[in-house]
Amino acid sequence: DAGVTQSPTHLIKTRGQHVTLRCSPISGHKSVSWYQQVLGQGPQFIFQYYEKEERGRGNFPDRFSARQFPNYSSELNVNALLLGDSALYLCASSPRASASTDTQYFGPGTRLTVL
Amino acid sequence: GEDVEQSLFLSVREGDSSVINCTYTDSSSTYLYWYKQEPGAGLQLLTYIFSNMDMKQDQRLTVLLNKKDKHLSLRIADTQTGDSAIYFCAVEREYGNKLVFGAGTILRVKS
Repeated sequence: DAGVTQSPTHLIKTRGQHVTLRCSPISGHKSVSWYQQVLGQGPQFIFQYYEKEERGRGNFPDRFSARQFPNYSSELNVNALLLGDSALYLCASSPRASASTDTQYFGPGTRLTVL
Repeated sequence: GEDVEQSLFLSVREGDSSVINCTYTDSSSTYLYWYKQEPGAGLQLLTYIFSNMDMKQDQRLTVLLNKKDKHLSLRIADTQTGDSAIYFCAVEREYGNKLVFGAGTILRVKS
């Protein structure tokens, strides 16, 4: 089975632009979470979506938004990009909304560079 | 909020055991995880432990949990050069799949 896939792999944007990152979860997984990993730090939680509804949001500004589609894939949108948004954006999927023995599986990430 | 702390760096010789430590603040965390990240890659789940367990062994990996001290450790037996990577401790927080990660421990294995 395919794992979590993310696109694009790398992306370069300039300050003020908008970006859309995409994630396809493992087949059968209904929950998608997004994390931001700045260089040298651990991942930080941005959003969780389950059955197309937002179930959790981390401490990120309103410039960050996301949505989940009927096929459970997800998009993360970031408006008015800042230099500090440069990071590896990770998507994770799991079968259900709550933590259990069904743990989260992470994709390879999208490396965003803001110039 | 939840705080997860790890030591920054660990260097061991090939064949030795490695022990990576983690402390956390939220005693209500139900699941605690260890992830591995190789250069330029995403996160690979290594193992996890449920909060009502003290120890979990999975091949070369042993996880120890001390709930009283809120201390989690990962022992890698017979460490190999392929184990060189960044290791993240993560704890489940709140309802749902929000994980709080430590900053990561860089493991360097010398041959």
